[in-house]
Amino acid sequence: DTAVSQTPKYLVTQMGNDKSIKCEQNLGHDTMYWYKQDSKKFLKIMFSYNNKELIINETVPNRFSPKSPDKAHLNLHINSLELGDSAVYFCASSLDSSYGYTFGSGTRLTVV
Amino acid sequence: GEDVEQSLFLSVREGDSSVINCTYTDSSSTYLYWYKQEPGAGLQLLTYIFSNMDMKQDQRLTVLLNKKDKHLSLRIADTQTGDSAIYFCAETTGNTGKLIFGQGTTLQVKP
Repeated sequence: DTAVSQTPKYLVTQMGNDKSIKCEQNLGHDTMYWYKQDSKKFLKIMFSYNNKELIINETVPNRFSPKSPDKAHLNLHINSLELGDSAVYFCASSLDSSYGYTFGSGTRLTVV
Repeated sequence: GEDVEQSLFLSVREGDSSVINCTYTDSSSTYLYWYKQEPGAGLQLLTYIFSNMDMKQDQRLTVLLNKKDKHLSLRIADTQTGDSAIYFCAETTGNTGKLIFGQGTTLQVKP
């Protein structure tokens, strides 16, 4: 199936831990994104990579570090997790901005 | 600056039309989008409109764009219970492809 796939779908972890979320797209898109959706459903961009190059880096704590080993993968590593990091994290990809994004199904991160 | 605003909630009866409204501030927006999010799922692109268009129709969906007032609307004809979801308006500007989303409108369809 052609899609954007994220793993894991659910992640429950304790404060202070380090965790990673993986994202892969097989659509041949050049650009990938990470968005955070908070408890009020507000979506905010965190990072964007175009062909493995970082092009958007919004005001995000430096505990969050994206890594793009190739243009089909964009992973998100989070150090020293805090309660406020609890959210749904969405990966997305696009061919170019005019066609909109294809989203993954999200990773629900709960920090306890 | 970039800001997208939507009303938070809309309730309609099955079979009625739904109209979801959105306003945006960035006059250089090139494309405007409507996304649908069902519970526990990701966002699904419903439709989009280029900024030099006034209207776009796609089956039960009609998008109207008033560029002067920076107002975008999504009309769903013959609304069904399966249309119950959160609808996000979004704009993209510049060449980074960054999408700015509204807060989302929860559409409740009553049988």
